[in-house]
Amino acid sequence: TQLLEQSPQFLSIQEGENLTVYCNSSSVFSSLQWYRQEPGEGPVLLVTVVTGGEVKKLKRLTFQFGDARKDSSLHITAAQPGDTGLYLCAGGLAQKLVFGQGTRLTINP
Amino acid sequence: EAGVVQSPRYKIIEKKQPVAFWCNPISGHNTLYWYRQNLGQGPELLIRYENEEAVDDSQLPKDRFSAERLKGVDSTLKIQPAELGDSAVYLCASSLAPGQALNRNTGELFFGEGSRLTVL
Repeated sequence: TQLLEQSPQFLSIQEGENLTVYCNSSSVFSSLQWYRQEPGEGPVLLVTVVTGGEVKKLKRLTFQFGDARKDSSLHITAAQPGDTGLYLCAGGLAQKLVFGQGTRLTINP
Repeated sequence: EAGVVQSPRYKIIEKKQPVAFWCNPISGHNTLYWYRQNLGQGPELLIRYENEEAVDDSQLPKDRFSAERLKGVDSTLKIQPAELGDSAVYLCASSLAPGQALNRNTGELFFGEGSRLTVL
C-alpha cells in the first residue's frame, strides 16, 4: 500500500494545455516536496511547502498544500515539451521523506 | 561545486553474484540516503546516515544488503547475493540539514544520477 498516492500515473497532453497532478494521503505530513526526474538522472527538487493551505508559484507551475496537510497538487499552465518528466511528491513523516509513485508527464509538441 | 557522485552508472550481473555501489555526497552534507527505485515507481528509502551513524535502516533487507559510511563521508551499499528482484536503480542522496529538519523547514535532498542494476 502506497502511503502517498499520485494521480494520474500517466498523462500525455498537447503543448499549451493546462494540467493538474494530485498527491493524496490519509497521513498528515510536516512538509511536502515536489521533485522532477528526467530519464537517467536523479530527482531534482522543485518546491517545498510546509504550511497547510500554502500556495507557491514557480513560473508556470503552481503548488498547493492541503489545509489538513494530507494532500497536495501541482498545476502547470500552458505546458511545454520541456515540462516532460516524472513528477514525484514526497512527504515529511517521522523524520523520513516518503515518495509517491510518481506521475509520468509527456507534453507533445 | 560537484554534486552527488555515484558509481558505477550501470551494472549487469548474474543472480547470486555480489555487487557494490559507491556514493560520494556533496561536501559538507552530513546526511546521506540510499534509495531504491523500481521501474515506474518512486524512490524507497533503504538507509539513512547522520555522519557515520545509520539512524534509519528499517527498510534495508539485512539478510543480503549491507551499507557502510565509515568516515562519515562517502558510502558503499552492497548486495550479496543478488536476486532477480534486486534489479532497480539505486539512488544516493545527501542533504545539509540533519534528519530532524524534515519536521520543519525541510531540507532539500540532492540526488546522484543513480546506479542501474540488472540481475540476470
